[in-house]
Amino acid sequence: GIQVEQSPPDLILQEGANSTLRCNFSDSVNNLQWFHQNPWGQLINLFYIPSGTKQNGRLSATTVATERYSLLYISSSQTTDSGVYFCARTLGYSTLTFGKGTMLLVSP
Amino acid sequence: NAGVTQTPKFRVLKTGQSMTLLCAQDMNHEYMYWYRQDPGMGLRLIHYSVGEGTTAKGEVPDGYNVSRLKKQNFLLGLESAAPSQTSVYFCASSPGTISTFGSGTRLTVV
Repeated sequence: GIQVEQSPPDLILQEGANSTLRCNFSDSVNNLQWFHQNPWGQLINLFYIPSGTKQNGRLSATTVATERYSLLYISSSQTTDSGVYFCARTLGYSTLTFGKGTMLLVSP
Repeated sequence: NAGVTQTPKFRVLKTGQSMTLLCAQDMNHEYMYWYRQDPGMGLRLIHYSVGEGTTAKGEVPDGYNVSRLKKQNFLLGLESAAPSQTSVYFCASSPGTISTFGSGTRLTVV
């Protein structure tokens, strides 16, 4: 099946630091979404990004479809950024295949 | 605007019992989904629906049934619960692009 691999699995940052999360795909990307799952379990869509670069405040994402990877950049991290970040490849009827996630802890 | 609402939020079942999880969305989305999340894992697709009256199997459909009698509702049923079905269940809906998720149902089967 289609594999979605995320790295690193865990990340600890000091508040104010920057970080890059990576998502690799075993097959070509039709579309890709990044999600943040907060400590209360709620999943929030961050980006819908089949290719190119998008920015939203301190977060930005880049997908290079031809090379089968996507990157999520977090700048000037805050404690509220803590949680699990998932990338998910979009398949038919917008069904999602998720990676196992990157657990991020931002300490004050 | 409530988005995607799941009920119940928590439930404990005994092995062999049955139950239904309810998902309701008020965004008029055509597509609806049920995923499960196990510790250290991403979400996995159980079943999905592309419109009222339709259902289809996802990656892990065994032991579950679904129904979509109304466009706004998507029901997930467990006919005979097993400990392996202990998980957090998420419902989602989509107009064909971005998925919006409910807050989840934590189910424990003892």
